[in-house]
Amino acid sequence: AQKITQTQPGMFVQEKEAVTLDCTYDTSDQSYGLFWYKQPSSGEMIFLIYQGSYDEQNATEGRYSLNFQKARKSANLVISASQLGDSAMYFCAMRDPPRGYNKLIFGAGTRLAVHP
Amino acid sequence: GAVVSQHPSWVICKSGTSVKIECRSLDFQATTMFWYRQFPKQSLMLMATSNEGSKATYEQGVEKDKFLINHASLTLSTLTVTSAHPEDSSFYICSAPDPSRAADEQFFGPGTRLTVL
Repeated sequence: AQKITQTQPGMFVQEKEAVTLDCTYDTSDQSYGLFWYKQPSSGEMIFLIYQGSYDEQNATEGRYSLNFQKARKSANLVISASQLGDSAMYFCAMRDPPRGYNKLIFGAGTRLAVHP
Repeated sequence: GAVVSQHPSWVICKSGTSVKIECRSLDFQATTMFWYRQFPKQSLMLMATSNEGSKATYEQGVEKDKFLINHASLTLSTLTVTSAHPEDSSFYICSAPDPSRAADEQFFGPGTRLTVL
C-alpha cells in the first residue's frame, strides 16, 4: 500500500537560512506524483510544489525546491532564505493511482518554526 | 490559480443536529471533489470522493449514513454530518482537481471548523 512518511514532527530554522523537510514514500507504482503543501494556522492548504515520477529534473518554485531521489524514494522539500511567514505545518502528499487518479494521501506533517 | 470556496468557515451546533457544509469550485468545473477530515495536530484523512451525477465513494471506515455527500452540479458538492456528536468535531476540507490543467495540482477550500457541543 502507498505510504508517506515525514519523520520530523517539528523543525526550527533561523530567518534567512535554508531548511530541508524530509519526506519518504512507498509505492509499487511506476507512475506517481508527489506534492508539498503548506498549512498556516488559518487552516488553508497552500500548494507549493509538484514532482512527477518521470520528471528528470528536480522541481523548483521560487524559494522552494524538491530534492527528488527516486532510488531512495525520497522527496525532500528545501526552503531557501527562510522568512517568518514560512512558519506553518508542511505536508508531503502522494497521488494514489490505484485508488483513483487524483486521490492524495498525506504524511503526518512537519511543523516549521522560523526564528528572527 | 483556481479557487475553491467552502461555507460555512466555522459552525457550532448541538449534539444530535445535522450540519451541511458546501464546497464550490468558483472558476472551473469539477466532476470530482474530495472531502478530508483533519483532527487537531494531525494530518488530513480522505473521507470520500464526491462524483458529479453519481454516488460518492467512501473510504474504508467512513460511515456513509453519517456523512452524506451530494454532488448536485459541476461546481457544488455538499457534505452533511447527520446527527452530529462531539466526536465529529473536526476540521473538514474539500478539494478539487481542475481538469483543464495539465499538472496534477488539487485546489483546496479554506476548510470548515465544526464544533459539536
